[in-house]
Amino acid sequence: DQQVKQNSPSLSVQEGRISILNCDYTNSMFDYFLWYKKYPAEGPTFLISISSIKDKNEDGRFTVFLNKSAKHLSLHIVPSQPGDSAVYFCAASANSGAGSYQLTFGKGTKLSVIP
Amino acid sequence: GAGVSQSPRYKVAKRGQDVALRCDPISGHVSLFWYQQALGQGPEFLTYFQNEAQLDKSGLPSDRFFAERPEGSVSTLKIQRTQQEDSAVYLCASSRSGVTLEVPLIDTQYFGPGTRLTVL
Repeated sequence: DQQVKQNSPSLSVQEGRISILNCDYTNSMFDYFLWYKKYPAEGPTFLISISSIKDKNEDGRFTVFLNKSAKHLSLHIVPSQPGDSAVYFCAASANSGAGSYQLTFGKGTKLSVIP
Repeated sequence: GAGVSQSPRYKVAKRGQDVALRCDPISGHVSLFWYQQALGQGPEFLTYFQNEAQLDKSGLPSDRFFAERPEGSVSTLKIQRTQQEDSAVYLCASSRSGVTLEVPLIDTQYFGPGTRLTVL
């Protein structure tokens, strides 16, 4: 059972437009959410995060929105650039009780930004 | 080094062989994580170290999987008697701080490039 779901395997967006990547979660114990970006043959790279006490966090062109009641978060990229083309993973974290803060990942969404 | 490094980058093993995968975390990082990423899936947690102590191994899929970090820096993930279902990319991540139940701390995890294991 997937606790973090990214229902869109892929997304194509024109350069300069907004990219919106969505993520849903089922575990109400999750209290911290992250987005990672991954290029082929590289490890995931941290992009942006949000705590459950907030509903929005912005960093340059990247904004993450959290809707706790709907158990939904989204990543907005504005404006989209060709270099943003990558696989984006949504991840969530909760105190596991063993103090590890392991991350639970979705399956990823492949974003293609078309010049 | 500047980032997390892993070796080898690619490993092909025959079914039944033992393999050892190495992770060099960012110097001084207290926390170290191992994840397994199957094809078309997101990374899945395997185990966590805080310095040399293995605090969480709840994600290890079987007793054929063993991880160690004896001096609190380099870590090795060992898989005994490999099976085809072990084929995946194994990712290592490190973060600056440790965590405690009393003062939970979210710290960015920095990932290595992974080791792609193929079991024939």
